[in-house]
Amino acid sequence: GAVVSQHPSRVICKSGTSVKIECRSLDFQATTMFWYRQFPKQSLMLMATSNEGSKATYEQGVEKDKFLINHASLTLSTLTVTSAHPEDSSFYICSARGGRERYTDTQYFGPGTRLTVL
Amino acid sequence: GENVEQHPSTLSVQEGDSAVIKCTYSDSASNYFPWYKQELGKRPQLIIDIRSNVGEKKDQRIAVTLNKTAKHFSLHITETQPEDSAVYFCAATYSWGKLQFGAGTQVVVTP
Repeated sequence: GAVVSQHPSRVICKSGTSVKIECRSLDFQATTMFWYRQFPKQSLMLMATSNEGSKATYEQGVEKDKFLINHASLTLSTLTVTSAHPEDSSFYICSARGGRERYTDTQYFGPGTRLTVL
Repeated sequence: GENVEQHPSTLSVQEGDSAVIKCTYSDSASNYFPWYKQELGKRPQLIIDIRSNVGEKKDQRIAVTLNKTAKHFSLHITETQPEDSAVYFCAATYSWGKLQFGAGTQVVVTP
């Protein structure tokens, strides 16, 4: 199947620091990766779409200078939360799309990263 | 953009009974509708999906129906088991394959 990993699984940082989260597709080449944020007891909210070799496109209301996305290869995308503040504390989940299936619109999710900003 | 509404927000069923979750969407161009199951603190897992050229799809105890005219789709779980307890999300594609998720349904299966 399509496996997506995410690292770290949990991070606690001080306010004002930056945190990098990695998302990898392990057994397929991901043409597109997505980054979501999920607050407790809420749904997944799309933050940005990341295509290999091009700039990420951000959803309305998401600050691109605060949430830096780099999609350096077909198997790796990174999200950097810059100058994190307590309100950035959330569950960040990536998904990857693209593979050997006939249809490439299926998104497979990483295990998520729990970010806590003190 | 796309708007997806999901009902109910919580669903309690006795083990062995059926569970039905309904979603509506707004974008007539949507053509892919996945359902995800998410356990607490875990990743969403794809349990079934349906594309717009199909009206119904079944996989063991899980089935999904799609009515494109009415713009609604439903998840049916038969013979529910305690391990079916989780949050279920419906979703619909829009704008080059992005997914708009519903608000989620907390399903509780009591033995």
